[in-house]
Amino acid sequence: SQKIEQNSEALNIQEGKTATLTCNYTNYSPAYLQWYRQDPGRGPVFLLLIRENEKEKRKERLKVTFDTTLKQSLFHITASQPADSATYLCAVERSGGYQKVTFGTGTKLQVIP
Amino acid sequence: GAGVSQSPSNKVTEKGKDVELRCDPISGHTALYWYRQSLGQGLEFLIYFQGNSAPDKSGLPSDRFSAERTGGSVSTLTIQRTQQEDSAVYLCASSLGGQVQTQYFGPGTRLLVL
Repeated sequence: SQKIEQNSEALNIQEGKTATLTCNYTNYSPAYLQWYRQDPGRGPVFLLLIRENEKEKRKERLKVTFDTTLKQSLFHITASQPADSATYLCAVERSGGYQKVTFGTGTKLQVIP
Repeated sequence: GAGVSQSPSNKVTEKGKDVELRCDPISGHTALYWYRQSLGQGLEFLIYFQGNSAPDKSGLPSDRFSAERTGGSVSTLTIQRTQQEDSAVYLCASSLGGQVQTQYFGPGTRLLVL
């Protein structure tokens, strides 16, 4: 089964800096990987999806990279704002031809004004 | 537009009682998932429905847990003879179906077993 590792410790950064979150996976190479944001007391909200044949994906201040050799995805938030403070979850496709994903435990980001 | 809704939002029950949690997916979404999230933990997959196919129940932790989806829409997760370790947030998500789709989550049901 797929195992997902995200930084278990909270990440604190200064407003305006770039936040970088890491997602590492083991076992087979997934066809795609997703990033979600979760605020306290709410369900996760989809942010970005990147496929195995894509090296990088961008959406406004967000950037995701996917390195299938390292079995790693990096999630960047540029010009971070206090409103970006949340827990960010990585979700990795579990098996070919199927839309089940395995979620990581998430990394809590705190952007300090 | 209407998103995924779940009810109740909070449920407190006594150990040994049965509980039913409800999920209303987004209209037209053929795929539906149930997850469990314990405090400070990641999402634990429970069960997956896709159209009229047999559900994938591989994540259900014990035979006390069951789920059904009626008419390809509303789903109910039932926990029988609840235990204190069942206390968690139960999240439902739906998606359009197909090979790669975004999951849309509901707000969750917070279950506390005393």
